[in-house]
Amino acid sequence: EVQVVESGGGLIQPGGSLRLSCAASGFSVNSNYMHWVRQAPGKGLEWVAVIYSGGSTYYTDSVKGRFTISRDNSMNTLYLQMNSLRGEDTAVYYCARGDNKGYFDYWGQGALVTVSS
Amino acid sequence: QSALTQPPSASGSPGQSVTISCTGTRSDVGGYTYVSWYQQYPGKAPKVMIYEVNKRPSGVPDRFSGSKSGNTASLTVSGLQAEDEADYYCMSYAGGDTYVFGTGTTVTVL
Repeated sequence: EVQVVESGGGLIQPGGSLRLSCAASGFSVNSNYMHWVRQAPGKGLEWVAVIYSGGSTYYTDSVKGRFTISRDNSMNTLYLQMNSLRGEDTAVYYCARGDNKGYFDYWGQGALVTVSS
Repeated sequence: QSALTQPPSASGSPGQSVTISCTGTRSDVGGYTYVSWYQQYPGKAPKVMIYEVNKRPSGVPDRFSGSKSGNTASLTVSGLQAEDEADYYCMSYAGGDTYVFGTGTTVTVL
């Protein structure tokens, strides 16, 4: 069964760092497109970043230079390293598997990140 | 990377149809066939309902259909049921290996 489970969320002060993890089962993260999508409280979905099977990474403009998407093939886990966090980064962060036809077919339950002093 | 434009709300009675629009530009919706739609219940993860404009994943009822004309994509839910009451988001590939979601539409079954 295909499954992704996020962890690592929590309360962090502005300017701080946090790393989210997304443990995958039923498929290999290094053979698929893997995405992070976030949703601020009461707001809509926002695409954050992708890592392609070849290892290339891309980000939405608002997180470039602050967030880094990566994976550990041996652990079959996706990561999102978030630095210089701001209040506007407060959101539920979802890990999602992407298809090469441009859609996301499996989503995790989400990890809440709250940036506040 | 501006969000695609969706109406904030849509509604219909059980058995009726509702259509949600998703307006972008030539750089996203109008430029690619990679338009998908997601259903999200409160506090839950999104679920893909339509991909590649008009294709349904296995298990999605055929009451859900998608289309596109120019820079606007649409999701139609026919034969509305109580369980269709949810938030719906469109998404498009936006070029440059980036993706963009719509602003979201809350569907209410009257």
